[in-house]
Amino acid sequence: ETGVTQTPRHLVMGMTNKKSLKCEQHLGHNAMYWYKQSAKKPLELMFVYNFKEQTENNSVPSRFSPECPNSSHLFLHLHTLQPEDSALYLCASSGRDSQNYNSPLHFGNGTRLTVT
Amino acid sequence: GQNIDQPTEMTATEGAIVQINCTYQTSGFNGLFWYQQHAGEAPTFLSYNVLDGLEEKGRFSSFLSRSKGYSYLLLKELQMKDSASYLCAVRERSGYSTLTFGKGTMLLVSP
Repeated sequence: ETGVTQTPRHLVMGMTNKKSLKCEQHLGHNAMYWYKQSAKKPLELMFVYNFKEQTENNSVPSRFSPECPNSSHLFLHLHTLQPEDSALYLCASSGRDSQNYNSPLHFGNGTRLTVT
Repeated sequence: GQNIDQPTEMTATEGAIVQINCTYQTSGFNGLFWYQQHAGEAPTFLSYNVLDGLEEKGRFSSFLSRSKGYSYLLLKELQMKDSASYLCAVRERSGYSTLTFGKGTMLLVSP
């Protein structure tokens, strides 16, 4: 149990499908993140939400649409994806530690997405 | 631009010591993190450095030199379960934990 739960663990979808990835954190954190992890590439930040407000969109194509209804839940809506979007999508959360810096990121196990 | 470099792969034997280096060039600096990621699992936090020097935590230690843009993760008394990818990440500004990651170093520990 990592404290950050992602569903589904695996997803295969066609380019015309619409699907959503879900993330839930049980750590009382105020910030949530979507990262993309592709083979042989660094983790890439996609979106940041702080107290449900989107604070960063790292030039992500509009076929990825995030939603954060509250500080514990984060979604990534997918539509009209391309095969190159196949990757591991990781959700993370963070809070503030005793020194008023944000605590380290706590990651979920990710959703392995394959676009056919 | 942002650049974080670490070796792609390293191998070591059980019981040995291994040092994984990370160099960075970023527009700002507010801390360096090391994460461990086993295949198919979430990255897990190992260590954090914001001031120069060595931070020790059991078998793992991490060192930082801000003037050189350099860090290393030192793993002692290696165990088979230490086989994993080790990710170096820099936080460029205070506030949220938005991190810029290196590509990771795959460590293979053999008997």
